[in-house]
Amino acid sequence: DQQVKQNSPSLSVQEGRISILNCDYTNSMFDYFLWYKKYPAEGPTFLISISSIKDKNEDGRFTVFLNKSAKHLSLHIVPSQPGDSAVYFCAAKAGKSTFGDGTTLTVKP
Amino acid sequence: SAVISQKPSRDICQRGTSLTIQCQVDSQVTMMFWYRQQPGQSLTLIATANQGSEATYESGFVIDKFPISRPNLTFSTLTVSNMSPEDSSIYLCSVESGGTYEQYFGPGTRLTVT
Repeated sequence: DQQVKQNSPSLSVQEGRISILNCDYTNSMFDYFLWYKKYPAEGPTFLISISSIKDKNEDGRFTVFLNKSAKHLSLHIVPSQPGDSAVYFCAAKAGKSTFGDGTTLTVKP
Repeated sequence: SAVISQKPSRDICQRGTSLTIQCQVDSQVTMMFWYRQQPGQSLTLIATANQGSEATYESGFVIDKFPISRPNLTFSTLTVSNMSPEDSSIYLCSVESGGTYEQYFGPGTRLTVT
């Protein structure tokens, strides 16, 4: 049973437009959510996080939204840049972290 | 933040052999985590390594297959034993930040078993 799901394996957007990456979870015990970015041949790097007591967290071009009733979170990147092209993983914590399968974002110039 | 290095960065091994992966952190940490990422899949936690105690393994992973050492607060090794092609994966070492919940990852070890 996969507790954290990223249903879109890939996403392609034009430079300057908004990228929206989605993540769904099933375990209501998750109390902290994180997004990581991974470039080829590198380990994942932390991007942004949100506590379950909040519904939005913003850091520059990156905003994470949390809808607890729907058990859904999303990452918005505005404006998207070619350097944002990477694999994005969402993770949810209830003690240890559980990761989604990742979404490959391609930002076209 | 923490800077993590791993050795080797990649290796090609024959089935039945074993490979030991090293993980070095630039600061002292209590817990170190070992993950596996199979092609096209998520990061799966193999085990948590605490200094001075036995590693804690996740469901589906056993010590005989993935023995872990944690001799001090900055270093750990993961051995993949009696390898089969199904062990072909990226293996990642990770630590968690002290004050927040974000994790830092090493660059990974890409293992191919033939």
